[in-house]
Amino acid sequence: EAGVVQSPRYKIIEKKQPVAFWCNPISGHNTLYWYLQNLGQGPELLIRYENEEAVDDSQLPKDRFSAERLKGVDSTLKIQPAELGDSAVYLCASSLGRGQAFFGQGTRLTVV
Amino acid sequence: GDSVTQMEGPVTLSEEAFLTINCTYTATGYPSLFWYVQYPGEGLQLLLKATKADDKGSNKGFEATYRKETTSFHLEKGSVQVSDSAVYFCALILNSNTGKLIFGQGTTLQVKP
Repeated sequence: EAGVVQSPRYKIIEKKQPVAFWCNPISGHNTLYWYLQNLGQGPELLIRYENEEAVDDSQLPKDRFSAERLKGVDSTLKIQPAELGDSAVYLCASSLGRGQAFFGQGTRLTVV
Repeated sequence: GDSVTQMEGPVTLSEEAFLTINCTYTATGYPSLFWYVQYPGEGLQLLLKATKADDKGSNKGFEATYRKETTSFHLEKGSVQVSDSAVYFCALILNSNTGKLIFGQGTTLQVKP
């Protein structure tokens, strides 16, 4: 069974440019999470979806970050415009309901 | 607020040494506790978990016991291998209805032959 797939694995962009990350959860998992992992720190939740509904986006900086999960399957996280401080690893995870969360390998973003 | 604190790393051990990585938590209510591991170049993987006080989680020779009285969930392994070199994260879910994991900062373990 395929795990959580994220792309790209690495992205380097100039500040003020837009960037998007894509996540394909495990088949059948209705809950999807985006976490932000800064260097040397643990992941922090940005947004949680149940099916296509964002049920917890309290930690998502809405001035520049947006996310969508059309049809309740794949999800995209976007940053526009990117800032130097956005350099981090963006992790996607999925679960069946409130069950165990499975993580993707993450997208490492470098803003220069 | 709810939080998890881990011992500072990196932890460097020789092969077959005993491992302890300390983890304490602050939480309102009764959280479930987890240890995740991140091997180089890979995603986070669940290593073990415990859902109530005095439960012991175990996997791959690693163990951790949920201690409510000391709000701790220390990770232990009797004999580490080079292949255990990774970053270890302690985490909690405060309310299973949300599924939101709260992580510690991670502890890097390096095992030398």
